[in-house]
Amino acid sequence: EPEVTQTPSHQVTQMGQEVILRCVPISNHLYFYWYRQILGQKVEFLVSFYNNEISEKSEIFDDQFSVERPDGSNFTLKIRSTKLEDSAMYFCASSEAGALGQFFGPGTRLTVL
Amino acid sequence: GENVEQHPSTLSVQEGDSAVIKCTYSDSASNYFPWYKQELGKRPQLIIDIRSNVGEKKDQRIAVTLNKTAKHFSLHITETQPEDSAVYFCAAGGTGFQKLVFGTGTRLLVSP
Repeated sequence: EPEVTQTPSHQVTQMGQEVILRCVPISNHLYFYWYRQILGQKVEFLVSFYNNEISEKSEIFDDQFSVERPDGSNFTLKIRSTKLEDSAMYFCASSEAGALGQFFGPGTRLTVL
Repeated sequence: GENVEQHPSTLSVQEGDSAVIKCTYSDSASNYFPWYKQELGKRPQLIIDIRSNVGEKKDQRIAVTLNKTAKHFSLHITETQPEDSAVYFCAAGGTGFQKLVFGTGTRLLVSP
């Protein structure tokens, strides 16, 4: 069964550094998402991406964040200048039809020191 | 915007008992309600979902019910097994928008 994949599984970085988290969505899916989950808390929406553009973003997704689909398979989340509070598990998800049937990747645990 | 409340935060049952987790939502435009199971350190896994044009959906030991008027939906697990132990999240979304808004999660512990 096809799955969303993410790399790396764990990223440790210094405050102020840039990080890029990578995702490969399920191949026939058209909608892509990033969510984050701070340890022990609920999953929070960051951004949705459809037809090569951002379709919706939350207030968490400020100017320090950006997303890109650099080729036909990858979907990336960039954080330009990381803060301590960016430490979280970041999940990529994809779906065929918007909110319906979103499948999540295994996550990247980001630790900002 | 949408707000999803989930109760209880923790639920302990004996193997073989039933478990019920309840969620309420605020936005009447929401019309899609999935449930995700998350084991420790793993990804959220979609286990069942329901759209607002139906009131109940079953898949083996799990079922979801929806009351649109009251804006609440519930997950029912029958004949619980230790491997059902996990955190369960409800969420709300809709065909008019793409994001899912998650509840705060319920930690289910099934004791043998």
